[in-house]
Amino acid sequence: NAGVTQTPKFQVLKTGQSMTLQCAQDMNHNSMYWYRQDPGMGLRLIYYSASEGTTDKGEVPNGYNVSRLNKREFSLRLESAAPSQTSVYFCASSPPLAGGGDTQYFGPGTRLTVL
Amino acid sequence: AQSVAQPEDQVNVAEGNPLTVKCTYSVSGNPYLFWYVQYPNRGLQFLLKYITGDNLVKGSYGFEAEFNKSQTSFHLKKPSALVSDSALYFCAVKMAGTYKYIFGTGTRLKVLA
Repeated sequence: NAGVTQTPKFQVLKTGQSMTLQCAQDMNHNSMYWYRQDPGMGLRLIYYSASEGTTDKGEVPNGYNVSRLNKREFSLRLESAAPSQTSVYFCASSPPLAGGGDTQYFGPGTRLTVL
Repeated sequence: AQSVAQPEDQVNVAEGNPLTVKCTYSVSGNPYLFWYVQYPNRGLQFLLKYITGDNLVKGSYGFEAEFNKSQTSFHLKKPSALVSDSALYFCAVKMAGTYKYIFGTGTRLKVLA
């Protein structure tokens, strides 16, 4: 049981390049999330997917797109990378829990630098 | 707007002493509250959560937190700190019926030997 996995672990891009961050979970969770972590700003939600086939914008969606490929996989795409997107990106998943107090499980993160 | 505040960027405590990491929140309705810990170059790990019931919640590694509705606080505590507790701690809130979690900015805990 690997939990939440993310690839790649590190990436360096030039401004204007595109790339896709991959995330997969093997816990049969319904909901999946993409966050970015920046110093002094905590975690900010980029996009989330409440269930397979649905995606919704979070707090900072501009410059990103997502695909919920199936129940296991949720990818994040940067179409034209900008230096402001230099950050650490975390994927998370959570099971449904009656009442909504579901715990999130996080992947190890992708450290992205845009030059 | 819903928000979570962690007023201290860093907390220093001597090993063996009690520790407190503060969290306050501002939401409408009844929140679900969480604490997560992040070790260097790792993802966040769940520590504990408050959903309903007893205001004192016990979690992993000897941590506990007290939900105080009147003060809208959810402070993280541990009776005796260990050097290995040194990490970045995040408080988070989620509202029932929503999928969005709101995280605080994090507090770096440094336990000194």
